[in-house]
Amino acid sequence: NAGVTQTPKFQVLKTGQSMTLQCAQDMNHNSMYWYRQDPGMGLRLIYYSASEGTTDKGEVPNGYNVSRLNKREFSLRLESAAPSQTSVYFCASSRTGFGYTFGSGTRLTVV
Amino acid sequence: GENVEQHPSTLSVQEGDSAVIKCTYSDSASNYFPWYKQELGKGPQLIIDIRSNVGEKKDQRIAVTLNKTAKHFSLHITETQPEDSAVYFCAASDLGSGNTGKLIFGQGTTLQVKP
Repeated sequence: NAGVTQTPKFQVLKTGQSMTLQCAQDMNHNSMYWYRQDPGMGLRLIYYSASEGTTDKGEVPNGYNVSRLNKREFSLRLESAAPSQTSVYFCASSRTGFGYTFGSGTRLTVV
Repeated sequence: GENVEQHPSTLSVQEGDSAVIKCTYSDSASNYFPWYKQELGKGPQLIIDIRSNVGEKKDQRIAVTLNKTAKHFSLHITETQPEDSAVYFCAASDLGSGNTGKLIFGQGTTLQVKP
């Protein structure tokens, strides 16, 4: 069982470049989430999708966009990357809000 | 919105001792409190959770307690082992009709268990 798969695992971007982080889950979960993790700040919610066809802003949405492509896939897009977006990004999914399953993360550096 | 504070940020214990991590939350509507363990280079993994209608829950060497009146909850690890060394996160959520289950996390505690 793959669980939650994130690609890529590592990425270096130049300021102003764009990229899309991919996330897919194979557990038939309804809800999916994007978090960023920074030292001393825990995990902060960027965007989430409670069900297919819906997306909502989390705590730190500025500079990001998301797409819930179908029930399995939830992507995060950085349109114009900034050094402040250097972070580790985690995707997670859950069936009902209990017991999130996290992916292994994408480590992004913006130079 | 919900705000979760977690203490301490780092904790070092001798193998076999107990470790306690504490969290407070601000939203009285929160009713679900999970704890996650994150090993180096990996995503967080759920280790135990508690709902607001329960005051304590145990699973082998780990336990969680909840005080709804004071809005705080704690993780207790007994007989610590070197493999318990990791970063631990608490979180809170308001799960119910019309709510989407988004978790708000604490800042994390780095636990080091010395052999």
